[in-house]
Amino acid sequence: DAGVIQSPRHEVTEMGQEVTLRCKPISGHNSLFWYRQTMMRGLELLIYFNNNVPIDDSGMPEDRFSAKMPNASFSTLKIQPSEPRDSAVYFCASSPSGGPYEQYFGPGTRLTVT
Amino acid sequence: AQRVTQPEKLLSVFKGAPVELKCNYSYSGSPELFWYVQYSRQRLQLLLRHISRESIKGFTADLNKGETSFHLKKPFAQEEDSAMYYCALVLSGGSNYKLTFGKGTLLTVNP
Repeated sequence: DAGVIQSPRHEVTEMGQEVTLRCKPISGHNSLFWYRQTMMRGLELLIYFNNNVPIDDSGMPEDRFSAKMPNASFSTLKIQPSEPRDSAVYFCASSPSGGPYEQYFGPGTRLTVT
Repeated sequence: AQRVTQPEKLLSVFKGAPVELKCNYSYSGSPELFWYVQYSRQRLQLLLRHISRESIKGFTADLNKGETSFHLKKPFAQEEDSAMYYCALVLSGGSNYKLTFGKGTLLTVNP
């Protein structure tokens, strides 16, 4: 198993552009989490899904951010329009649902907005 | 509000010295706590969880409810322990669980 897969690994874009980050969770995991990591704020939970349904999106910073999970094997995090302060590493993680199980993290997407 | 505090952003020790990474939490319920670690160029991964009461790579962490702490300790640090360490608290809502992370401590073990 390749683990959680994220793409792209690096993204450089100009302010105002749309950015889409992608995640494929581990097969059989029903919970999926999107995090943002910055030096100032550490690791922040943006949103998480259980069985493809968004459960808690209270961490999504603004309406510019949106996330979807159309099926059990794919999720996207979209930023439109992007701003320089969105520059961060974005992680996706998955875990089995129904308990406080270990979360398995992807390699992250390093986003730079110029 | 639930919160996890790691007071040290940076911690530097010499090889062979004891190391303690501090973690304090605030949570009104019964806490479940984890330590995650991120080595250079590797994914964030689980190091240990308090309910297991295990020792991983020589690290242990004891939950102290009186002091609301879950400090990570190792008696003799190794250079390969250099990494970013995150303490995390599980928040549960019915059958849904999410983690609240501290801001992390970057541990450097010098030769």
